[in-house]
Amino acid sequence: DVKVTQSSRYLVKRTGEKVFLECVQDMDHENMFWYRQDPGLGLRLIYFSYDVKMKEKGDIPEGYSVSREKKERFSLILESASTNQTSMYLCASSFGGGSLKEQYFGPGTRLTVT
Amino acid sequence: DAKTTQPPSMDCAEGRAANLPCNHSTISGNEYVYWYRQIHSQGPQYIIHGLKNNETNEMASLIITEDRKSSTLILPHATLRDTAVYYCIVRVASNDYKLSFGAGTTVTVRA
Repeated sequence: DVKVTQSSRYLVKRTGEKVFLECVQDMDHENMFWYRQDPGLGLRLIYFSYDVKMKEKGDIPEGYSVSREKKERFSLILESASTNQTSMYLCASSFGGGSLKEQYFGPGTRLTVT
Repeated sequence: DAKTTQPPSMDCAEGRAANLPCNHSTISGNEYVYWYRQIHSQGPQYIIHGLKNNETNEMASLIITEDRKSSTLILPHATLRDTAVYYCIVRVASNDYKLSFGAGTTVTVRA
């Protein structure tokens, strides 16, 4: 079974803090994704990566950065957390070879910024 | 990607088959139908996908009409753990990797 794990299920941070969210997958997937999910807004793609050290901006990259130093690990960084970044953050991974490959999601991190 | 329409909610009895409809009347010939679900407080889970033939895997069956304008996801023996929001989406091979879920169907399996 594909396993995607995220470092925390729940996280509470203060405004202005630097926040790291970690994601690890164990299926040797080429692609990895960070989404956020908010009520009424659905899933929104923040960043994705199709290879080590490669990244592409999604629809809402502002206020975020990412790092992929190893194939199995994709980190999302909130440089200076703000209250409007309170959300559920979901990491996903998929095999390479095109956008139609199914994506496998982690359990999510519910981040609250106070 | 083509737009999909799903009923907002449905109930199903435990042990019975759950049939989840999806309308995608504007689907084009190279668009695939995908189903994902999301159990409360968990990440979405891939279920199944197809182009025009019916598909079956260990989780579900996907029946696509001959004109491809609608499809049905079938959970053959629903359990309480199948209670979730089910999303039907259509996708075409492109440079756009993101998944876009609509409102989906909230399925409640009752004992």
